[in-house]
Amino acid sequence: EVQLVESGGGLVQPGGSLRLSCAASGFTFSNYWMSWVRQAPGKGLEWVANTQQDGSKKYYVDSMKGRFTISRDNAKNSLYLQLNSLTAEDTAVYHCAREVPTGLLDLWGQGTLVTVSP
Amino acid sequence: DIQMTQSPSSLSASVGDRVTITCRASQAVSSYLNWYQQKPGEVPKVLIYDASSLQSGVPSRFSGSGSGTDFTLTISGLQPEDFATYYCQQGYTTPGTFGGGTKVEIK
Repeated sequence: EVQLVESGGGLVQPGGSLRLSCAASGFTFSNYWMSWVRQAPGKGLEWVANTQQDGSKKYYVDSMKGRFTISRDNAKNSLYLQLNSLTAEDTAVYHCAREVPTGLLDLWGQGTLVTVSP
Repeated sequence: DIQMTQSPSSLSASVGDRVTITCRASQAVSSYLNWYQQKPGEVPKVLIYDASSLQSGVPSRFSGSGSGTDFTLTISGLQPEDFATYYCQQGYTTPGTFGGGTKVEIK
């Protein structure tokens, strides 16, 4: 089955860190750009970051540059997002998504909830 | 970054209505414009890609049009299962920004 499964979310204090993981299966992971998208409670979708097939190129939304780091391990069919210096505004469900060349996010994981609270 | 502006932010409609949602980009994105549907508690689902191409399995009552900066999603004959939030997203450049969403509610 073609799917993405995120893990690693949880409750973290302001200023803390978390590492999110996304396990891919059912397709050739190394052939695709991969992205992270987040959704704060009751809010819209926000693109976070993406990475090229071999991990050599990485892009971030400006507001998260320097705090978030995207990476991947093609041998493990896995995508990661390191979250540092977290604030309450980072509370959201974080989805990983497969990206096709036109920028379409054609496969989404169910997401993992990150809650930043004292 | 390219800003995507959707309108309206919400609308009320009845089953059978024709519904139109617009999306405007702050700069031209060619036809690299996608539409997603999201229901509460669910993952976004692709409806339209490349401005006007219908994703496999999506009912033909959904259609998309436009290019450059102005785009439209049309639902011809709203069905009960179409009550949801709709997002546009540009794929022209990184970051692949989303519109703010349009919530379609039952009148």
